[in-house]
Amino acid sequence: DAGVIQSPRHEVTEMGQEVTLRCKPISGHDYLFWYRQTMMRGLELLIYFNNNVPIDDSGMPEDRFSAKMPNASFSTLKIQPSEPRDSAVYFCASSHGGNSNQPQHFGDGTRLSIL
Amino acid sequence: SQQGEEDPQALSIQEGENATMNCSYKTSINNLQWYRQNSGRGLVHLILIRSNEREKHSGRLRVTLDTSKKSSSLLITASRAADTASYFCATPILTGGGNKLTFGTGTQLKVEL
Repeated sequence: DAGVIQSPRHEVTEMGQEVTLRCKPISGHDYLFWYRQTMMRGLELLIYFNNNVPIDDSGMPEDRFSAKMPNASFSTLKIQPSEPRDSAVYFCASSHGGNSNQPQHFGDGTRLSIL
Repeated sequence: SQQGEEDPQALSIQEGENATMNCSYKTSINNLQWYRQNSGRGLVHLILIRSNEREKHSGRLRVTLDTSKKSSSLLITASRAADTASYFCATPILTGGGNKLTFGTGTQLKVEL
């Protein structure tokens, strides 16, 4: 079975530009999570969805960040406008069932560099 | 903020030796999970231990949980170069639906030939 697929793997862009990160969760998984990983702050949960509905976006740092899940097989995380401090690795993860007893399956991330 | 903290931050051992990593957490949990992250890759789930369990094994992995001390340990026996990775513990945030995990700061393990 294919795992969680993220694209692009790497993105380099100038500050002020719009950035869109994409994620395809594992088929049949009903929870989708977006994380950000940096050396300073470690792995932080930004937002998660259940059955395509955003449940908790308390980790989204600013209004410049937005996430959507138009269907069960696709989600996007958008940053507009981007800033150098947004540089990080962004991970998408999915799970079957939402209670915290379920393992999360991670994609290989998008390494984002904002110049 | 992160709930878990791993100790040590970095560990370097020779192939064949055992590696032990520790995790401390702050609030009550119903389970604790360990994940591995290879360089440039996403996290991979290794093992889950429930709060009513004290020890669990999976292959060369042994996990212990002491809820009275709010700590867990991950032991990798007979380490291999392929075990070189960062290891994270993850604990659930039980408020607000209990669907979120918080990850520790990680232990970087290097296994040398």
